Amino acid sequence: LAKTTQPISMDSYEGQEVNITCSHNNIATNDYITWYQQFPSQGPRFIIQGYKTKVTNEVASLFIPADRKSSTLSLPRVSLSDTAVYYCLVGASGGSYIPTFGRGTSLIVHP
Amino acid sequence: EPEVTQTPSHQVTQMGQEVILRCVPISNHLYFYWYRQILGQKVEFLVSFYNNEISEKSEIFDDQFSVERPDGSNFTLKIRSTKLEDSAMYFCASSEAQFEARSGANVLTFGAGSRLTVL
Repeated sequence: LAKTTQPISMDSYEGQEVNITCSHNNIATNDYITWYQQFPSQGPRFIIQGYKTKVTNEVASLFIPADRKSSTLSLPRVSLSDTAVYYCLVGASGGSYIPTFGRGTSLIVHP
Repeated sequence: EPEVTQTPSHQVTQMGQEVILRCVPISNHLYFYWYRQILGQKVEFLVSFYNNEISEKSEIFDDQFSVERPDGSNFTLKIRSTKLEDSAMYFCASSEAQFEARSGANVLTFGAGSRLTVL
């Protein structure tokens, strides 16, 4: 299972773009990179998933360099409601895959 | 948008009592999971379930825990004799597929959670 490393916390202000980078040096060939968001006392919620290059949806963008050893979640123009913990997960290839959550990155958006 | 529903939202119980937490996964999903999160700590995997049997379980999921899919829609977690340290948020999740690394297949949809307080 590929281990991931993310900053423990980040601070931003409303209207700014936030980039959270995740390192996953031992990512396997078939692994996908998935990001979840969790608000206090709620279950994690899927944000975005990608394999390589760039993926964009209505919520965020995910940038993955060619070597795939890291990925960056980009949140455009954050608001106070984006204050949450963000988790980067990398899937195991073959066999069983159990999404395993680390500590995540606690993002606080200030007014 | 389809969602995973969990009941109860909050349960308070005495140490040593049995607790059953219930979940209704998304109807076309095939894999079901239970996770827990102790206050201020990580979301921890407990167990995964596929084709009416446990496919994976963690060290946390000892003999005090059991899971069941009693009918075509519900997925339950039972704790036989609760301990103080079982106090946590318990999250149920489901996914379309587990073993296939195709985009979206191994994405989990979580319920809102059941908060268990053991006194």
